[in-house]
Amino acid sequence: KNQVEQSPQSLIILEGKNCTLQCNYTVSPFSNLRWYKQDTGRGPVSLTIMTFSENTKSNGRYTATLDADTKQSSLHITASQLSDSASYICVVGSILTGGGNKLTFGTGTQLKVEL
Amino acid sequence: DTAVSQTPKYLVTQMGNDKSIKCEQNLGHDTMYWYKQDSKKFLKIMFSYNNKELIINETVPNRFSPKSPDKAHLNLHINSLELGDSAVYFCASSQAHRAGEQYFGPGTRLTVT
Repeated sequence: KNQVEQSPQSLIILEGKNCTLQCNYTVSPFSNLRWYKQDTGRGPVSLTIMTFSENTKSNGRYTATLDADTKQSSLHITASQLSDSASYICVVGSILTGGGNKLTFGTGTQLKVEL
Repeated sequence: DTAVSQTPKYLVTQMGNDKSIKCEQNLGHDTMYWYKQDSKKFLKIMFSYNNKELIINETVPNRFSPKSPDKAHLNLHINSLELGDSAVYFCASSQAHRAGEQYFGPGTRLTVT
């Protein structure tokens, strides 16, 4: 069964500090892995996307890593800001038999950045 | 110049009613999706439409029916609403071959009383 598990469930850090969010998946066959940021009351917004051959991707202060062998990904946030407070969702894409894609969503990590 | 828009943003209705949520995208994408986000913030895909064909249909109650009048619209109709239908519903769109790059709408918060 395709699953995406994220840890921690929630995290509180001080402004300016770094943090790392984890994502483990059992999705097969693997197509891509994406990290989304979802602000309260809004739809998810894409941060990074990685395919099988990529092991790191950066977007400003966000850096995602992917280890396809161990089926793990991490999202590292550098020099956190209050606006980073949001839910971060790991999404893994798999290829359907006959074509098309299916996405499996993680339950998310709720990050709160405090002064 | 909103990419993916949904209406209404909030919907409060009573059990047993029939309601619709509209979604429109101006990105020129050929695939649109509907997701349900429950109180635990888990996003569950409900439907996916590509060129007016249903290509993913998760095991949702048949009270839910997507209707796509054209490539830019995918509306969600819900019949005989139940308390458990209360959630936030998100519409999204993408190019079919790049399903991992979905763009989401702002969501519609449905409350059934």
